[in-house]
This record gives sequence, C-alpha cells and structure tokens, in this order.
Amino acid sequence: DGGITQSPKYLFRKEGQNVTLSCEQNLNHDAMYWYRQDPGQGLRLIYYSQIVNDFQKGDIAEGYSVSREKKESFPLTVTSAQKNPTAFYLCASSSVGRVSGNTIYFGEGSWLTVV
Amino acid sequence: SQQGEEDPQALSIQEGENATMNCSYKTSINNLQWYRQNSGRGLVHLILIRSNEREKHSGRLRVTLDTSKKSSSLLITASRAADTASYFCATVWSGAGSYQLTFGKGTKLSVIP
Repeated sequence: DGGITQSPKYLFRKEGQNVTLSCEQNLNHDAMYWYRQDPGQGLRLIYYSQIVNDFQKGDIAEGYSVSREKKESFPLTVTSAQKNPTAFYLCASSSVGRVSGNTIYFGEGSWLTVV
Repeated sequence: SQQGEEDPQALSIQEGENATMNCSYKTSINNLQWYRQNSGRGLVHLILIRSNEREKHSGRLRVTLDTSKKSSSLLITASRAADTASYFCATVWSGAGSYQLTFGKGTKLSVIP
C-alpha cells in the first residue's frame, strides 16, 4: 500500500541521549516534513525538505537534525540539545510543483518520552 | 507568520446536529486545506479550497473561503459520533522560491451520541 511509515510508534529517551525517528514514504513525493505536536496544540514545523540532499529549518529546528539522502527517507534525530523533547512527532510528504494541488499526507506519528 | 487560527477551540454537539468551525489567517494564500486528526493518530486530508474558489463540497463537508476577510469555515452536516476528532486548517503560500504550509491549533469536536 502507498503511504508514509513512521517508526517506532513509541520511544523512550534518557537524558543526554540522541534518538532517531524513521520516516519512509513510497508515494514518490519530492517534499517531506517533520512536525512536532504537543498535547492539545497544533503542529509546529521542525524541518522540511523539497528535494534530495537539501533541507530547510522550520520554526523550531533547534535541538533537531535531519538528513535526506534518499527521496523516500527523511529521518529526524532528536539530540540531547533539545531540552524538552517529549511530544508527538509527525512526518509528512507532498508533491511539489503543482502548488495549487498540494495535499499533505501524514504518517501515524511517533510518541517520544524522556525518562 | 500566516498561521491559521481555528475557532472555537472546542465544540460539543449532539449527534445529527451540524458543526461549524472557523479559520482565520493573516496573509495571502494559494490554497487552504482542512485536516482531521483522531486522538493519537496522524492527520488526514479532508478538503482543499483554492484561493479563487468560494465554496466547495465533499460529502457531508462544506468549506467556504472569503479571501477578503481572510477566513474559512468548515461545516459538517448531520454529525455522527465518528466525527469526533480535532480539525485543523492549513494555509499554503508559495512564491519567490518559497513554500509555506502552516497549521492552526485546531478545533476539538465532540459529537455526543
């Protein structure tokens, strides 16, 4: 089936640890995104990438890093520099170019908890 | 920022009633989209309305867009308990080599059976 796969669904991080959230899509989309969602809040953009080997910071990039070595993959690393990482993380993708028709497709999310 | 702001933040209605949610934004857009999120899940695209459109329908959903007031509304008719979810508007702007997609904080809809 076509879609976006995020893993793991639940992840626990110890203080001072880096963790990586995986995001894979088989929709042949050029653009991919990472959002953070805190309880009862909207989505805030962490990073986005519109093409392989290129990515841009979003509104809350500090303490996070990404890579885009392949079109279908956009992993997010939550570093120890992120002081409050406990949140729900959503990966998304969209086609780029036909701007007026861009729909964003989301994965099922990953819950990260600091212990 | 042209972040959309949904109103109300929470809405509770009886099954069978209509639910109306509003979204306001600040700057020019190419299109506006509405998404639904069940608790603890990813967002699902519901409907997209372009800046040159004023109204759009999809099943029990009706979306309006007023670019002069920079606002949009989502109407769900004959609501069902399964419509219980959070609903987000997202504004899309593209130009000068830039592309922005910005989500609001959402309206939490509860439909009581």
